Amino acid sequence: AQSVTQLGSHVSVSEGALVLLRCNYSSSVPPYLFWYVQYPNQGLQLLLKYTSAATLVKGINGFEAEFKKSETSFHLTKPSAHMSDAAEYFCAVTKNQAGTALIFGKGTTLSVSS
Amino acid sequence: NAGVTQTPKFQVLKTGQSMTLQCAQDMNHEYMSWYRQDPGMGLRLIHYSVGAGITDQGEVPNGYNVSRSTTEDFPLRLLSAAPSQTSVYFCASRDRGATNEKLFFGSGTQLSVL
Repeated sequence: AQSVTQLGSHVSVSEGALVLLRCNYSSSVPPYLFWYVQYPNQGLQLLLKYTSAATLVKGINGFEAEFKKSETSFHLTKPSAHMSDAAEYFCAVTKNQAGTALIFGKGTTLSVSS
Repeated sequence: NAGVTQTPKFQVLKTGQSMTLQCAQDMNHEYMSWYRQDPGMGLRLIHYSVGAGITDQGEVPNGYNVSRSTTEDFPLRLLSAAPSQTSVYFCASRDRGATNEKLFFGSGTQLSVL
């Protein structure tokens, strides 16, 4: 069965610092991975998604993620944090080969201090 | 296009009551799914559907029923509400297409069971 583990339920960084949110997956089929962001009192917004064309994926707002099959990881990074990045971030993997639904991780709350 | 529309936005139930959470999409998407979001638990898949007349269970299906009589609608029924079903519920849809097609989410229904 597919599963996602997000290491660290809460990450705190200073403005301008590197952001690293960790995601490891388990999948019995070739995985397709996503990162979603949820700002306070809002719905979910797609940040980026893995495509088999490239292992380094660029998303919105300066975020990127690297797919590492050997490490079963899809960590999210941003070189310089901004106050507006404070939100909850979810990593997700497709439930099956058709991608009919997603299996989400438990989420990581990112706090950014000035 | 309205996208994915969920009603109601808020609902308070008493233990044992039944209700239906409505979800409708106007994008002609074949795949639809229901998730619940709880603090520290991320989003968990309840049920999903790959087309009219076809539904399947997700990670946490107990206490919930679904049906898909049309492409547009995918209602979620609580037969006998329990306090453990207090949560925020999200409906999502996506096009059949590629495996990594993004999900479109509704704005959520906040349900409290007393």
